[in-house]
Amino acid sequence: KQEVTQIPAALSVPEGENLVLNCSFTDSAIYNLQWFRQDPGKGLTSLLLIQSSQREQTSGRLNASLDKSSGRSTLYIAASQPGDSATYLCAFLISNFGNEKLTFGTGTRLTIIP
Amino acid sequence: DVKVTQSSRYLVKRTGEKVFLECVQDMDHENMFWYRQDPGLGLRLIYFSYDVKMKEKGDIPEGYSVSREKKERFSLILESASTNQTSMYLCASSLWGVTGSPLHFGNGTRLTVT
Repeated sequence: KQEVTQIPAALSVPEGENLVLNCSFTDSAIYNLQWFRQDPGKGLTSLLLIQSSQREQTSGRLNASLDKSSGRSTLYIAASQPGDSATYLCAFLISNFGNEKLTFGTGTRLTIIP
Repeated sequence: DVKVTQSSRYLVKRTGEKVFLECVQDMDHENMFWYRQDPGLGLRLIYFSYDVKMKEKGDIPEGYSVSREKKERFSLILESASTNQTSMYLCASSLWGVTGSPLHFGNGTRLTVT
């Protein structure tokens, strides 16, 4: 069974600091990996998608990397702001006989302290 | 921007009631998904659909059914609601070929079954 682990479950960081969120997965035969943000009581917002052939993607202050060989992805947030406070989830996509399936981690709850 | 709209933000139903959760997307996406999200368990896939009138079971389909009569609408049905179906329900959509397409989520429906 494919598993996705996100550690730590919660993280508090002073405003302005750079930080890294971690995601590890057990199945290296992935098609892509996505990072999402979820605000309390809301749905998920897609932040970055990395194809299996890519090593990283960048959007503004966010940079996501993918290392399939080690089964790890990281989300780097530069110059953190209070508005970055949210839960961040990673999910990887596998394809099994044409059935594509996303498996989600349980998330890291990030709090940026003003 | 893609918009995925879930008809209700909050619902309270009684045990044994038949419950309909509606989801509509406005970007002509082929794929639509229903997840439930519970603390400590993350997101779990209930059902998904790759086309009109087509449906596939996810990881936890028991007690649920779905309907997709039109491309833009995907309904989740709880045939006889039970207290263990109290949860946050999230609908999502993506373009055909999830491999390269981000998932877009609605804001969720928080269902309480009493």
